Amino acid sequence: GENVEQHPSTLSVQEGDSAVIKCTYSDSASNYFPWYKQELGKRPQLIIDIRSNVGEKKDQRIAVTLNKTAKHFSLHITETQPEDSAVYFCAARSSNYQLIWGAGTKLIIKP
Amino acid sequence: DADVTQTPRNRITKTGKRIMLECSQTKGHDRMYWYRQDPGLGLQLIYYSFDVKDINKGEISDGYSVSRQAQAKFSLSLESAIPNQTALYFCATSGSFVDTQYFGPGTRLTVL
Repeated sequence: GENVEQHPSTLSVQEGDSAVIKCTYSDSASNYFPWYKQELGKRPQLIIDIRSNVGEKKDQRIAVTLNKTAKHFSLHITETQPEDSAVYFCAARSSNYQLIWGAGTKLIIKP
Repeated sequence: DADVTQTPRNRITKTGKRIMLECSQTKGHDRMYWYRQDPGLGLQLIYYSFDVKDINKGEISDGYSVSRQAQAKFSLSLESAIPNQTALYFCATSGSFVDTQYFGPGTRLTVL
């Protein structure tokens, strides 16, 4: 079936450094790829998304890149700050409009 | 996001009991979803509904049922709860032409 693989499961970076989280999807018909952030004890919230007609999208310190040929997309966070500590989920929209989710990446920002 | 609410927020129940989780939204969205979250497994879709008369099974629907009572209300039932249904349950909504899903605060369910 359709699936999304997300790596790494845990990422620890020094404050101020960059963080990169990668996802691979299986459904070549997927055309929408959101990233959600879930802080401890809270609900997931959308932070950025990208559609298949775009290769890159930026929003301040956050960027997402998409490689349709390789069927992978990545989240880039620059100049990491303590408030970036959270679990990040990628997802891909399947052909029946469901979101297929990655397993999540726990991002730890070290002071 | 106060526009999507879930009740109860926490529930402890016993094996074999029937339990209902409720979700309400004031966003005017047509689409509603129920997810289950287990540590290390991300979000798994249980059921989803694209309008009041539409109900679809997700990837892990066994042992669960749903009811879409109105556009704004979507309930999840566990017919006979078992311990491995202990998890965090999220309701989410989205508009028909908007892909963003908005999540409720979650219900933490423990089945003893």
